[in-house]
Amino acid sequence: AQSVTQPDIHITVSEGASLELRCNYSYGATPYLFWYVQSPGQGLQLLLKYFSGDTLVQGIKGFEAEFKRSQSSFNLRKPSVHWSDAAEYFCAVALNNAGKSTFGDGTTLTVKP
Amino acid sequence: EPEVTQTPSHQVTQMGQEVILRCVPISNHLYFYWYRQILGQKVEFLVSFYNNEISEKSEIFDDQFSVERPDGSNFTLKIRSTKLEDSAMYFCASSGDRGPSSYEQYFGPGTRLTVT
Repeated sequence: AQSVTQPDIHITVSEGASLELRCNYSYGATPYLFWYVQSPGQGLQLLLKYFSGDTLVQGIKGFEAEFKRSQSSFNLRKPSVHWSDAAEYFCAVALNNAGKSTFGDGTTLTVKP
Repeated sequence: EPEVTQTPSHQVTQMGQEVILRCVPISNHLYFYWYRQILGQKVEFLVSFYNNEISEKSEIFDDQFSVERPDGSNFTLKIRSTKLEDSAMYFCASSGDRGPSSYEQYFGPGTRLTVT
């Protein structure tokens, strides 16, 4: 069964600093990969997705992620964090276009002024 | 931009009562899903639905749960006899079956269910 690991439960960065959130998946083939952001009490907003092609994908709000097949990773990055980026971030995988998404446990991002 | 909508945004019910959570998926989508998120935890898959039948369900989706697409636009999740542990945010999602965005699930804003 597919699984997703987000090793960092909580990350704190200073405003303006760079950010990397880690995501590793377990599956034999390349799944479809997603990053979502969730503010407290809110729904899930898709930041970016990877299906195939260029392994560096650009998303909304200045985020990007890089798919590394050899490491089974799909890490999320942002060069300069803003205070409004403080939220919960979820990595998710799906096996195909009709399949369920499996979510990681999430990483809580705190941004220090 | 088309979006998935869910009603109500918050539902409070007493233990043992039946609740129906409603969703209107994106109109040309063919795959429908329910997920739940217990407060402070990750999002968990409940069930997927295609061609008027369940295509996959998780262990969470026991006999107390059912889904239905009663007409061409709504997709509902029914919990027959709610328990305290059913308190969670329930998300509906839908996806299409063709085109470049067919793999992407569009999530609704969620219904917060509180069982007292």
